[in-house]
Amino acid sequence: DQQVKQNSPSLSVQEGRISILNCDYTNSMFDYFLWYKKYPAEGPTFLISISSIKDKNEDGRFTVFLNKSAKHLSLHIVPSQPGDSAVYFCAASAIMTSGTYKYIFGTGTRLKVLA
Amino acid sequence: DAGVTQSPTHLIKTRGQQVTLRCSPISGHKSVSWYQQVLGQGPQFIFQYYEKEERGRGNFPDRFSARQFPNYSSELNVNALLLGDSALYLCASSLGQTYTEAFFGQGTRLTVV
Repeated sequence: DQQVKQNSPSLSVQEGRISILNCDYTNSMFDYFLWYKKYPAEGPTFLISISSIKDKNEDGRFTVFLNKSAKHLSLHIVPSQPGDSAVYFCAASAIMTSGTYKYIFGTGTRLKVLA
Repeated sequence: DAGVTQSPTHLIKTRGQQVTLRCSPISGHKSVSWYQQVLGQGPQFIFQYYEKEERGRGNFPDRFSARQFPNYSSELNVNALLLGDSALYLCASSLGQTYTEAFFGQGTRLTVV
């Protein structure tokens, strides 16, 4: 039961252009979403997050958009740089019965930015 | 400031053996979570500990156990290893049990042969 889906396993973009990574979720109770970037042999690094009360959050070159009615979020990277080449994971924060949270991750999208 | 540190970074074990993985959270962080990442998949939640108590458990068999110490460091134990336990094991720390931003360590790559 994949509650968070990233349907594009890979994406190639030219340097300087926009990268758009997509994520869909099934549970309308999710209230917080995060994007993590992962390089080989490293742990995931937090990139940007968005609360379900917002529809957009910006941090420098990174913007996350949330469409609650469509249960869809996207990460925009503008302009894309070769150093952005990594695997990007979308995650939803889900509350557990204990009142604490866990993350449910998508399967990741491998972004390759071509110089 | 030191980030989340995990040890060892790599480990090779034989089927049926037991393994212990260690994690030190960021100073001041009281919550530690463990995730398993199998090749080609996203991380899967295993456990969360806060103030030395288990606060959440994912869909993993009882062969998986964990604990958190008074200094908030944590250990993940896996008994009776199976080939399918081969994965990257990630530890994440956060300030509190409701703080939603977590910081990950570099992971422990476990290979079961």
